Amino acid sequence: DAGVIQSPRHEVTEMGQEVTLRCKPISGHNSLFWYRQTMMRGLELLIYFNNNVPIDDSGMPEDRFSAKMPNASFSTLKIQPSEPRDSAVYFCASSGTGYFGELFFGEGSRLTVL
Amino acid sequence: AQTVTQSQPEMSVQEAETVTLSCTYDTSESNYYLFWYKQPPSRQMILVIRQEAYKQQNATENRFSVNFQKAAKSFSLKISDSQLGDTAMYFCASQGGSEKLVFGKGTKLTVNP
Repeated sequence: DAGVIQSPRHEVTEMGQEVTLRCKPISGHNSLFWYRQTMMRGLELLIYFNNNVPIDDSGMPEDRFSAKMPNASFSTLKIQPSEPRDSAVYFCASSGTGYFGELFFGEGSRLTVL
Repeated sequence: AQTVTQSQPEMSVQEAETVTLSCTYDTSESNYYLFWYKQPPSRQMILVIRQEAYKQQNATENRFSVNFQKAAKSFSLKISDSQLGDTAMYFCASQGGSEKLVFGKGTKLTVNP
C-alpha cells in the first residue's frame, strides 16, 4: 500500500518566492495534518483537516501561510512570500480515526529559504 | 494546554542491551492518549507504541514496552535487546480531548555495535 506521499522532498528557494508543498494522504483516511519540524521548536502542528474541512489552523504562523484540501486525495501548503525563518522540514500526516488514531507520516519536504 | 517533556536529549546503548527513554507530560484532560514515535535518519515518523490513559496495563509491542505512571504523569519507553536499526530520534506525544497531538523535543538514541 502506498503511504503518505509528499513533494517535493527538497526545495531551495530565495526569500520572497512562493513555495507550494504537496501531499497525497493514504486512501480512505479522512484526517490530514501539516506539521513543521525545526531544531528550535521541534514538531509543531500547523493545520488539521477532517473530511477536507480545516478544523484547527491555530498553528499557522501568519498570513503568509495557507493550506487547502480541495479533495480527499490532495492537499497543499503554500508560503507566500517565503522568508529564511520558514526553513524547516514540513511533514504531512494522515489518519483514519481523527485525532486519536495513529498518524501516518510522509517523508517530509525539506525547505531552505535563502 | 498540554505539555510533553523529554529530559534526555541524547542517549546511547550497546547492541543487545536495554535502554529506557523518559517522558513526562501534563494535561487537564481526563481521557487522553500517549504515544512514542520513532524518526530514523530517513526522516519518516513511525508509531512505535500507544497507551490509552484509562487502561492500567502497560502497552507492549515486541521489544518495546512502556512504563505508564498515571499519577506521576510519566510515560517511559523501554527498548529491550537493542538493535542497530533502533538508532533514531524518539518522540513522546500526548493527545487528549479536542487538544492537538503535542510532541516532546525528542531523544536521539544511538545503538552502538
